[in-house]
Amino acid sequence: KAGVTQTPRYLIKTRGQQVTLSCSPISGHRSVSWYQQTPGQGLQFLFEYFSETQRNKGNFPGRFSGRQFSNSRSEMNVSTLELGDSALYLCASSFYGVDTEAFFGQGTRLTVV
Amino acid sequence: DAKTTQPPSMDCAEGRAANLPCNHSTISGNEYVYWYRQIHSQGPQYIIHGLKNNETNEMASLIITEDRKSSTLILPHATLRDTAVYYCIVRVDGTGGFKTIFGAGTRLFVKA
Repeated sequence: KAGVTQTPRYLIKTRGQQVTLSCSPISGHRSVSWYQQTPGQGLQFLFEYFSETQRNKGNFPGRFSGRQFSNSRSEMNVSTLELGDSALYLCASSFYGVDTEAFFGQGTRLTVV
Repeated sequence: DAKTTQPPSMDCAEGRAANLPCNHSTISGNEYVYWYRQIHSQGPQYIIHGLKNNETNEMASLIITEDRKSSTLILPHATLRDTAVYYCIVRVDGTGGFKTIFGAGTRLFVKA
């Protein structure tokens, strides 16, 4: 079956702009989590959505937001981009619950200039 | 906020077993231990997970101590393609859901 699909793969934006990233989970998976990966901070949890509801949130400013649609596809939005937002953004989908593995997409590489 | 600690790097000879340790001394009774690996520029790949019993699959074995404060991932016959960053993580129950907290991971170098 198809894996987790993230679009776009690469993105270049200017400071102050906003950006929307998309994640299509594996068919049947209802949980989608988002992560930011930078060389300095490693992999950091942003938020998790399940059945269109945000269930958990990491320690990121309000400029980072997300949503999930009825088909489980999820979008992540970053407003007022800063240079420090340059990172690899990963999403992961899982069926349900803490005892099921999560499958990651290839990520979206965002560069803010 | 990572709940796990791992050595920053390890070497292993090709064909030998790679034993990657992880400390998770503050783990709660209902929290699972997961292992993922990340090969350069790719998304993390699931390897194995467990609660308190040892687990084995086609990729690896997971040995969890009886007190659950530490675990070891074993790659029985490491190959050059196993060179990656290995993350030991704990799935934390949140309010009605869960989140995954990654530590810094162990960079495994498999050498010929």
